[in-house]
Amino acid sequence: EVQLVESGGGLVQPGRSLRLSCAASGFTFDDYAMHWVRQAPGKGLEWVSGISWDSGAIGYGDSVKGRFTISRDNAKNSLYLQMNSLRAEDTALYYCAKDISPLYGDYWYFDLWGRGTLVTVSS
Amino acid sequence: QAVLTQPSSLSASPGASASLTCTLRSGINVGTYRIYWYQQKPGSPPQYLLRYKSDSDKQQGSGVPSRFSGSKDASANAGILLISGLQSEDEADYYCMIWHSSAGVFGGGTKLTVL
Repeated sequence: EVQLVESGGGLVQPGRSLRLSCAASGFTFDDYAMHWVRQAPGKGLEWVSGISWDSGAIGYGDSVKGRFTISRDNAKNSLYLQMNSLRAEDTALYYCAKDISPLYGDYWYFDLWGRGTLVTVSS
Repeated sequence: QAVLTQPSSLSASPGASASLTCTLRSGINVGTYRIYWYQQKPGSPPQYLLRYKSDSDKQQGSGVPSRFSGSKDASANAGILLISGLQSEDEADYYCMIWHSSAGVFGGGTKLTVL
């Protein structure tokens, strides 16, 4: 089955770190760029970060730049998001999303989404 | 001012058409962008609907009915998602998206109610 499954979310205090994972299956993971998109409770979508198939190109949204790091391990069919210096406004459901292109920077669209993992930043 | 602005809500009757707008910030020319549209139903992740840049550069998502179509209003600097023959199952949140300055940008979303 073609799917993305996120994990690693939870309750974390402000200023602490958390690492999210996304396990891909049912398709050739290293043929595609991947992204993280988040959605605060009751709010809209926000693109967080994207990475090319070979990790050669990476991008971040302004709100997370310098605090979050995206990475991937093609041997493990996995995508990661290391989140440092977390803030209350980072509270959201974090989705992993598959690009239709291998390259971050081709600027296409997301054709497969996971169901998300919830991150709550609170003391 | 946000890069993309969408009306927060829209209501329409079954069988009617609904036009959802996505207005680009002044100084960002809609003509130069591919606009992507996503549909999100409660409790589910978003799903890709279509992209539209021009009549010669557009694409329907896999399995997306032809009732969904894209266009632009250059005078309003806006992208448009048109849904014709509205059905109850079309009730959802709709998001537009562009790639701007090397980053993805979503509009705030429009909640479409079919009643």
